Order: sequence, then C-alpha cells, then structure tokens
Amino acid sequence: QMQLQESGPGLVKPSETLSLTCTVSGDSISSSTRYYWGWIRQTPGKGLEWIGSVYYSGSTFYNPSLRSRVIMSVHTSGNRFSLKLSSVSAADTALYFCARHEILGGRLAHFDYWGQGTLVTVSS
Amino acid sequence: EIVLTQSPATLSLSPGERATLSCRASQSVSNYVAWYQHKPGQAPRLLIYDASNRATGIPGRFSGSGSGTDFTLTISGLEPEDAAVYYCQQRSNWFTFGGGTKVEIQ
Repeated sequence: QMQLQESGPGLVKPSETLSLTCTVSGDSISSSTRYYWGWIRQTPGKGLEWIGSVYYSGSTFYNPSLRSRVIMSVHTSGNRFSLKLSSVSAADTALYFCARHEILGGRLAHFDYWGQGTLVTVSS
Repeated sequence: EIVLTQSPATLSLSPGERATLSCRASQSVSNYVAWYQHKPGQAPRLLIYDASNRATGIPGRFSGSGSGTDFTLTISGLEPEDAAVYYCQQRSNWFTFGGGTKVEIQ
C-alpha cells in the first residue's frame, strides 16, 4: 500500500530555511523510473501551489516563482526525499504536502498519491 | 501562468443526486486536467486524470469530461462519503490548481 508521510519542524523563524522530509512506503524511490516525487503547499490565500518535483537521479523541476529559494533532493537509502525553502517569510506559512508525480507520455502529469500534509508556520 | 477557475464554490445536494463541478482554464490545456478529492485531515485523492480517465480504485460514479478550456467532474448518485472539497489541476504549462468546489451532502 502506497503511503507518504511528511515530517519536519512546525515552526520556522522568518529569514531562516524551512526543511521537510517525505518518507515513502509501498514503493522504492530508487527504482521508480515512472515517477518524480513532488511537494505542493496549500495556503488560505493562494490555494494549492506546486513547489517542485525531483527524480530518483536528482533531476529537478521547480516552480519558477519559487526556484531561487528551493532545493529538493532524494535520499534513496532511507527511501526519502526532502525540501529546503530558504529565506522564508509569513507568506510561506502553509500546509505542505508531498506526493508521487507520475510521468505520462514523457511528461510530468498528475499526483497519484499524497501525504496528509504537515503545517508549517513562519513566525518569530 | 494558467489560471483554473472552479464553480460553484459550494454545492449542497442530497444523497442520490448528481453533482456537476466545473473547471475553466484561462487558456487551452488540451485534455491535461486532473481532479482530486480532499477531506479535512486526509491525503488528497486522485480521481480523474487527463480529463476523463478514472484513477485506480475510483468508483464508477465519478466521471470527467472536457477539453480545451472547459472541464466537468460529474458525481452520479451522491453518497454521504462524497462530502469533500474537489480540485482540478492542469499539466499543460507547469502545474496549477483551481480554487476548489466544496460539496456538501444535506
């Protein structure tokens, strides 16, 4: 059974770096050639926003609006992938989801499995 | 950025009725639209991908249609467990989501 679980600090100070990890069970990141692994966040103001997606090889795609602050990486030994978002502000307060991002016809497509999300608040 | 506009914002219906949810794109996205169901505290669930393809394990009462800029998710014969927020998402130009439609079961 495919499951994803987000983890990380629930409170981050302004200007610092938000770091989250997603642990995957039911699939192996290192052998999943048909999928990327993505992060999506949800805020009351902007709704759902795709942050970026990473392949098992380390290849990444980032949302152009966040690209300058985002780093995503894969940790195949622990079947995990991670998100780092730097220079955070109150606008980055959100519910952060990790998800499996399917490749269809050679292009990234939909998110077929999601975690339940973890709330991150940016505040001093 | 492609903007997806969902309507109505809220839909209140009775069990057994048909729900029709709309998603309109600011420019053509071909058939590259997916639909998700999200209940509070749970992981979002993929229902439909590429406009009309039902995802694995999704009941037949969920169906999708549309192409270009106008898409529809239909839930035929509402069940109490269908109460949720439904989102559309496009993959034509990066990935964006609609603002959601809340379905209430009376």
